[in-house]
Amino acid sequence: QVQLMQSGAEAKKPGASVKVSCKASGYNFINYGISWVRQAPGQGLEWVAWIGAFNGNKNYAQKFQGRVTLTLDTSASTGYMELRSLRSDDTAVYYCARDRDYHLQHWGQGTLVTVSS
Amino acid sequence: QSILTQPPSVSGLPGQRVTIFCTGSISNIGAGSDVHWYQQVPGKAPKLLIYGNNNRPSGVPDRFSGSRSGSSASLAITGLQGDDEADYYCQSHDSRSSDLVFGGGTRLTVL
Repeated sequence: QVQLMQSGAEAKKPGASVKVSCKASGYNFINYGISWVRQAPGQGLEWVAWIGAFNGNKNYAQKFQGRVTLTLDTSASTGYMELRSLRSDDTAVYYCARDRDYHLQHWGQGTLVTVSS
Repeated sequence: QSILTQPPSVSGLPGQRVTIFCTGSISNIGAGSDVHWYQQVPGKAPKLLIYGNNNRPSGVPDRFSGSRSGSSASLAITGLQGDDEADYYCQSHDSRSSDLVFGGGTRLTVL
């Protein structure tokens, strides 16, 4: 069955960077994209960025342009999201999800990123 | 502030029908972009409930249905059950930027 397994919780200081991984299994990795979505405590869902696993094309939400980078290791069926210059309002659960035709079919379990001095 | 607008909360009695509305604009739903719905139980990851306006993934009961008209969409839940209590999010995409856009979420309470 399709599974997306994310890396564990992270605690960072303001100004630092974080890199979250998302390992896919149960399907042909290069046939789908990966979107990243975050959810601040008590808040709704916010789309961060997308990467196509076939050709590495990317699309970043304007809000995160210049601070986020998505990469892939297709040999390991794994996607990565790096977020830099962290602020306290970046504290959130970050989800990866398999993206097909602009909808998110399967989700990872989420990774809590806490930014605090 | 979310791009798509949803009511913060809805409620209903067991067995009743509830409808959650989602309003977009001419740059997303009104441009013909499909609407998708997710269910999120607190503390868990979201789960795809409806895709492509009115399609259910395998395993989703037919008590859940979706529709789209103009710049709006709706999710209907019939035969309300206690385990339907969750947050529901609509999602579409911007027709020009291809950015995914979400509603702010609707908390469903089964009374």
